[in-house]
Amino acid sequence: NAGVTQTPKFQVLKTGQSMTLQCAQDMNHEYMSWYRQDPGMGLRLIHYSVGAGITDQGEVPNGYNVSRSTTEDFPLRLLSAAPSQTSVYFCASSSRRSGYETQYFGPGTRLLVL
Amino acid sequence: LAKTTQPISMDSYEGQEVNITCSHNNIATNDYITWYQQFPSQGPRFIIQGYKTKVTNEVASLFIPADRKSSTLSLPRVSLSDTAVYYCLVGDPMDSNYQLIWGAGTKLIIKP
Repeated sequence: NAGVTQTPKFQVLKTGQSMTLQCAQDMNHEYMSWYRQDPGMGLRLIHYSVGAGITDQGEVPNGYNVSRSTTEDFPLRLLSAAPSQTSVYFCASSSRRSGYETQYFGPGTRLLVL
Repeated sequence: LAKTTQPISMDSYEGQEVNITCSHNNIATNDYITWYQQFPSQGPRFIIQGYKTKVTNEVASLFIPADRKSSTLSLPRVSLSDTAVYYCLVGDPMDSNYQLIWGAGTKLIIKP
């Protein structure tokens, strides 16, 4: 199993540009989530999904969109990038069987918005 | 939402046992305590989870007193590679809509 994969690993955007961060998992987990982590801080939940076709907002959803068309994929879209969105983005997945708090994280995407 | 309080940082030496305490005064009946480890430039990694008393795995032990208002992560005989940030979280593992609150964690530095 590859676990949770994220692409790209690093991205530089100009203010106002849009992009999609990709996340995929091969563990058949029903729960997936996106976090952002700013320097020296903990993770903050952006959006999450409890299954295909179901998404919900987390703590900091503004400026981001998500969709969940399959169990495996959970892309995060930045609609119009702003410097405040410079951060490291982590995708995670978990399952009811092992408990939703037992999350498996991807390697992260480092985003710089100029 | 249950919040946790941990020390911001700790230092120790190779070969020592390290105990990191977390307080969670408003933990709910269905909440479990979960600890994660995060190395620089990596995503967090699940270490251990427990509900009460003591849980042990190949990496760490977790001690939870009867009132469950605090917990202690114990790392036996640490090495330099245990230098990382450790996060304590509480939540209901069966609640898919529960949003975990991640604090800043405890930055553990192991010295030779």
